[in-house]
Amino acid sequence: EDQVTQSPEALRLQEGESSSLNCSYTVSGLRGLFWYRQDPGKGPEFLFTLYSAGEEKEKERLKATLTKKESFLHITAPKPEDSATYLCAVPPTGTASKLTFGTGTRLQVTL
Amino acid sequence: SQTIHQWPATLVQPVGSPLSLECTVEGTSNPNLYWYRQAAGRGLQLLFYSVGIGQISSEVPQNLSASRPQDRQFILSSKKLLLSDSGFYLCAWGATYEQYFGPGTRLTVT
Repeated sequence: EDQVTQSPEALRLQEGESSSLNCSYTVSGLRGLFWYRQDPGKGPEFLFTLYSAGEEKEKERLKATLTKKESFLHITAPKPEDSATYLCAVPPTGTASKLTFGTGTRLQVTL
Repeated sequence: SQTIHQWPATLVQPVGSPLSLECTVEGTSNPNLYWYRQAAGRGLQLLFYSVGIGQISSEVPQNLSASRPQDRQFILSSKKLLLSDSGFYLCAWGATYEQYFGPGTRLTVT
């Protein structure tokens, strides 16, 4: 069965303290891995799509990387405004038009 | 550019009452449309998706239903709400695999 697992469940960082979030997946024939940011009470905001192992994407302090089994979202020198829940998602095996989401990592960045 | 709207933003309804949530998309044609529910502190649960007018796929058996009367309009309904229907309802649109979400509706069933 396809699975998307995110770790840690929650992460507390001090401003400027870099770290990584993990998204591991078990699907056959990956057709993309998607990262989203969700602020409390709002809909998820699309961040990145990664399609193949070795691919990297960057946006401000965020960098997403992809291997054959997992993806990492690296946060460099985070600021309090980076506090949010970060979700990853993959299309399930053999199914078009849908995404399977992980349960997310809740990131809090403090001063 | 594309824009997705949902309304209402918040809703408080008694058990047994009907429900209608609406979602519309602007700036794109023939999008895939999705309804998700997110319980407090939990992940996104796909409820329904549609690849075209009148085409609805249901993911989870429940007392909810969905309809797509127009290309860019998606409606989530219930005839009688249950307490367990409380949650944050999200509409999304997509062209291929990427999905873009609306602002959500917070539903509280009392």
